[in-house]
Amino acid sequence: AQSVTQLDSHVSVSEGTPVLLRCNYSSSYSPSLFWYVQHPNKGLQLLLKYTSAATLVKGINGFEAEFKKSETSFHLTKPSAHMSDAAEYFCVVSDLLGRLYFGRGTQLTVWP
Amino acid sequence: GAGVSQSPSNKVTEKGKDVELRCDPISGHTALYWYRQSLGQGLEFLIYFQGNSAPDKSGLPSDRFSAERTGGSVSTLTIQRTQQEDSAVYLCASSLSVDRGYEQYFGPGTRLTVT
Repeated sequence: AQSVTQLDSHVSVSEGTPVLLRCNYSSSYSPSLFWYVQHPNKGLQLLLKYTSAATLVKGINGFEAEFKKSETSFHLTKPSAHMSDAAEYFCVVSDLLGRLYFGRGTQLTVWP
Repeated sequence: GAGVSQSPSNKVTEKGKDVELRCDPISGHTALYWYRQSLGQGLEFLIYFQGNSAPDKSGLPSDRFSAERTGGSVSTLTIQRTQQEDSAVYLCASSLSVDRGYEQYFGPGTRLTVT
């Protein structure tokens, strides 16, 4: 069975400081992992995906994530937060049929 | 190009009524998924269609829920005899194929409120 656990329901950072959103996964096989972002009243947008290629994955808007098999983690990072990054972030694992299993989400607040 | 569209954007219905939610996937995408986003359950898979194959209904919460996809394109999710716990945002996504490596593109969702 596939599942993800997002370790923080809320994260607050100041603009210009690093962002770290934590995610641990469970999968019966080599996983496909994703991070999606949802801005208020907007649809889900893919930030980045890992599908067994390079373990450090770069996404849009300066985000990246590192797949660590030994830790079963797929944490999302960004060196410097921007006000426009305020949104809800979902860590997601896919099964072999493409069905997505979402974490409960992390609400990111960015203070000026 | 055009993304995934859903209609209506908002739907308020009385308990016990039937509702139909529509999804127009991206042209050429053979896979179509329905998800539900609710406060209590978060985001959960409901059903998917791949081409002309029988749909995978394993995520549907009850037999009041059904979905069809006509001509391999537009899909309709139907909820019969709506209950208050059906209140949620219903999201549709499409992708080039079912394979897990393909990105799913999400529509804006339909917010269903059952009163």
